[in-house]
Parts: sequence; C-alpha cells; structure tokens
Amino acid sequence: DTAVSQTPKYLVTQMGNDKSIKCEQNLGHDTMYWYKQDSKKFLKIMFSYNNKELIINETVPNRFSPKSPDKAHLNLHINSLELGDSAVYFCASSPRLGFYEQYFGPGTRLTVT
Amino acid sequence: GQQVMQIPQYQHVQEGEDFTTYCNSSTTLSNIQWYKQRPGGHPVFLIQLVKSGEVKKQKRLTFQFGEAKKNSSLHITATQTTDVGTYFCAVFQGAQKLVFGQGTRLTINP
Repeated sequence: DTAVSQTPKYLVTQMGNDKSIKCEQNLGHDTMYWYKQDSKKFLKIMFSYNNKELIINETVPNRFSPKSPDKAHLNLHINSLELGDSAVYFCASSPRLGFYEQYFGPGTRLTVT
Repeated sequence: GQQVMQIPQYQHVQEGEDFTTYCNSSTTLSNIQWYKQRPGGHPVFLIQLVKSGEVKKQKRLTFQFGEAKKNSSLHITATQTTDVGTYFCAVFQGAQKLVFGQGTRLTINP
C-alpha cells in the first residue's frame, strides 16, 4: 500500500543509452512532479503534471521527456544519457495544484558511467 | 522568483543538544513548508506555515514563521539520533512550483 512508488530504485547505465523511470501514486492526487537531487542534496523541480496536463517544464534538456498516461502515473524517459545526469530522481504528488504538501516516492538513483 | 537561503548548511550536535535551522527570503512569502529527508531516504513533509508570526509544535519540533513572513525556523529540542537527516524549507513560486532551500544536514553524536 505504498503511496508513491518508483521503479527502478537503482539504475546504472552507460553514456549514450536511453532509460526510463516509472512512477505511480495511489493517493488519488491530481498533480505529479519530477525532481532531481544532485550530489550536494540540492532538490530541484523538473516537471509537473496536473490531470495529465504539463504544467511546469523547467530548463531541462529536451533529452528528458515526461509522459503521463493517466493522473496516477508519471514516467520519465531520458535519451542519450550523459555523466551529468547522474543523480537521484524523485517523483512526488500532491492533491491538486496549489499550496499543498507533496508526497515523495523513494527515489531512483541513476548512475551514468 | 521566490528563493530562500537556508543556514547552516551543516550542523553537528551531541545527542541531547538543541538544533535550529533558518530560512530567509528577501521577499514576503505566502507560506513556507518544511521537509525532512533521512539519509538514503526521500523528503517527507513536516508542516506548512501560513500566518504571520505563526508558531507550531510537533513534539520536540517547533516551527516559526516570522512576523514579516520573510523568514522561518525549525528548532529541535533535545535531539535524538532519530533526528538525523537533512531538513529543507520550501516556498512556492506562484501556486505551482515548489522551490527548496539548500537544506541543513544534521548529524548527531550519540
């Protein structure tokens, strides 16, 4: 009965490869997010979706493409991985847009070699 | 857009000592949230402050929002080893985008 789940938990891959991370929430929330946390623990939003609609698209390389097949799922596909993409990626959700708390998934640690 | 400076970046205390982390903004905030991230874990929502001068307590944790709504603090009384982690404040840019502070990493000597 995990609220926000992500797969995989760990991802080790080589430069140039393409990979995907999946996220699902069973909280009935309307809004989902992708965050990137770097090695210094700095947490930065990448994308947010509300009811499958893209709301926020930060200055993220277009190698990163989110996709929300329904409001319970938000996946992240990354093309042509680079060393600098190594980080922990967190999915999160909130009840709806606005000043609500966010519930984070366990994270996916991506290592690009 | 809204940004917050969080200090200190690191804090090491003896178990039983108190701990405080501060967030400061140059602009008036609509509200502020606090999250805790245990080592190897994910951020977990602690609280949201909305009103000027608001003080909220959760057991040994005390959260304050400044009168001018430009700063906030989280104070932990008599730290325990379970308090270890990184504490983040976060503020909204508009009603959509949550911007996190740099975090304060708390380590505790048992």
